[in-house]
Order: sequence, then structure tokens, then C-alpha cells
Amino acid sequence: DTGVSQDPRHKITKRGQNVTFRCDPISEHNRLYWYRQTLGQGPEFLTYFQNEAQLEKSRLLSDRFSAERPKGSFSTLEIQRTEQGDSAMYLCASSLLPAAVSYNEQFFGPGTRLTVL
Amino acid sequence: AQSVSQHNHHVILSEAASLELGCNYSYGGTVNLFWYVQYPGQHLQLLLKYFSGDPLVKGIKGFEAEFIKSKFSFNLRKPSVQWSDTAEYFCAVTSDSGYSTLTFGKGTMLLVSP
Repeated sequence: DTGVSQDPRHKITKRGQNVTFRCDPISEHNRLYWYRQTLGQGPEFLTYFQNEAQLEKSRLLSDRFSAERPKGSFSTLEIQRTEQGDSAMYLCASSLLPAAVSYNEQFFGPGTRLTVL
Repeated sequence: AQSVSQHNHHVILSEAASLELGCNYSYGGTVNLFWYVQYPGQHLQLLLKYFSGDPLVKGIKGFEAEFIKSKFSFNLRKPSVQWSDTAEYFCAVTSDSGYSTLTFGKGTMLLVSP
């Protein structure tokens, strides 16, 4: 399977613990995105990378959240001191660098479902 | 800031019925528009996209959508649904400003009864 992969698929943790998720994008894709999806909502943008540079962060990304893409390939999303409100599906997507007309198609991974008890 | 509104949260249809899911967006500039689908237990997949040109776009599995700029709408249609179309459908927009982050609607859950 050469699509976007995410690990783990499910994570249950206790409030106050730290968690880390991993995303492996499609190999030639320059851009990598993180979204969060809660019940009854569409995915909400968190942050994105172009190669190893983090270019944009949503105001949803509090200081307890940090994302990295150290070598421009896989990415990690860490949540420190988890809260029950962090329970959600965390989605990763990747895309090629858009052409001059700025179109891009994002390919999504299966997501990591986080449950904070 | 851009936003997307999907009017129906849940739609129930019988097989062979026609489908139209509403999507309106709010953004003053040039946009790219998408419909994504999420089948039960699967990840988000692109159904179709509008970038420019013909406002009537055709996607996979017999779906089509029409971009009406004056109405800021991008409604999804299918003339005859099948049980296998049961899924959640998301409308999304990205601006043509060089940023490429998607803004999604809340989704419409479609249940097709056999």
C-alpha cells in the first residue's frame, strides 16, 4: 500500500499523559497536513509542513501540541498533558507542492483515534 | 476566513432515488472546491474537484457537482443512488491564494436503504 499511513490507529490514554502519533506520507509528497476531527464535525486544520518547514499553524494548536517533520518525510504530532477535550480522530494528509495555479489534491490517511479518559 | 456550510446532516434514501447534497461556501476570492467521501471504516477519499473551467464536474462512481459562483454553491448530485453509496460526504474549499489548507463542512451522513 503506497498511501498515507498513520500509527497507531487507536490510542487510549489517561488525562495528563503525553501521546505521540506518527504519519508517513506518500513518498514523493512535499506537503504534509494534520487535521483533527471530532464527532459530528468535519476535519479541522491543525498545521502543515512543506518539506521540513512548518508553514502554518491553526489557533486550534495550543502550546500543548507540537508537530515535527525532521527530515521532510514522516511527521509526528505530540500532545502533552492530554485533556478529555483532546479526544478526537487525528488525520494526516499529504500532497505534492501545488503547481503555479495552486491546485493540490490531498490524500488522507486512516487517522489515529485518541480517547482520553 | 473561509467557511463551508452543508445543509443536511443526515439524509436517508431508498436505492435508485436521486441525490442532491447542498454545499455553500463563504469566501470572496477564487476557490478550489472538493467533495470527499468517507465510507464506513475507511479513510477520506476524493470524489471530485472543481478547479476551473466547466462548472459541471464529474467524479467517480457516477457523482457530479455543479459550481454556481453567483450562489457560492457546489452541490453534489447523483441520479440514482446505490446501497454502496452509504457514507459520510464532506464538502471542502481551499482558496487560490497559495495556501492549500482545506476548510471542511460538517459533513452529511447518507444512508441508502436497499
